Amino acid sequence: SQTIHQWPATLVQPVGSPLSLECTVEGTSNPNLYWYRQAAGRGLQLLFYSVGIGQISSEVPQNLSASRPQDRQFILSSKKLLLSDSGFYLCAWSVLGEIEQYFGPGTRLTVT
Amino acid sequence: KQEVTQIPAALSVPEGENLVLNCSFTDSAIYNLQWFRQDPGKGLTSLLLIQSSQREQTSGRLNASLDKSSGRSTLYIAASQPGDSATYLCAVVGGSYIPTFGRGTSLIVHP
Repeated sequence: SQTIHQWPATLVQPVGSPLSLECTVEGTSNPNLYWYRQAAGRGLQLLFYSVGIGQISSEVPQNLSASRPQDRQFILSSKKLLLSDSGFYLCAWSVLGEIEQYFGPGTRLTVT
Repeated sequence: KQEVTQIPAALSVPEGENLVLNCSFTDSAIYNLQWFRQDPGKGLTSLLLIQSSQREQTSGRLNASLDKSSGRSTLYIAASQPGDSATYLCAVVGGSYIPTFGRGTSLIVHP
């Protein structure tokens, strides 16, 4: 069966520090991968999605970036965090060519 | 641009009631609609997926319907239980294959 992992589960970082969140999927190949942010009162916002290694599409311009160094690994990064980057970050995957999404457990990021 | 609205934003009911959660979308050209459940501090769990050619899907006490022409979906929860307490989100996928989420309905079922 397929599983999706995210780490860390929680993170507290000062403003201006770098960020790296990791997501990995097991039990499937060539998945579509997604990064979302869920901020209080703002719903779920799609940040990046990827249909293959090295292929990243950005939905929202901001100081975050994403990379997909391996087929089942998706990384969300920032060089300098802002207070507004605080939120709950969710990684998701779907079968290539299909639309139903499966979500990871999320990372709670607090920027202080 | 697709917009998804969920009504009500919050709901508190006694155990045993039958519930209807609503989801509306502005662009009816969708491929599918997916209902999720989210417990506090957790990821999303897929409940039901309705393809654009389907009218409804059922899983246990849950039934989701889709009316593309009117841009609406409802999630029906029969005989609600305290364990149903969570936030319920709907998401629609259109031609871009990118899902658009509503803000969710926060449900509390009290004993």
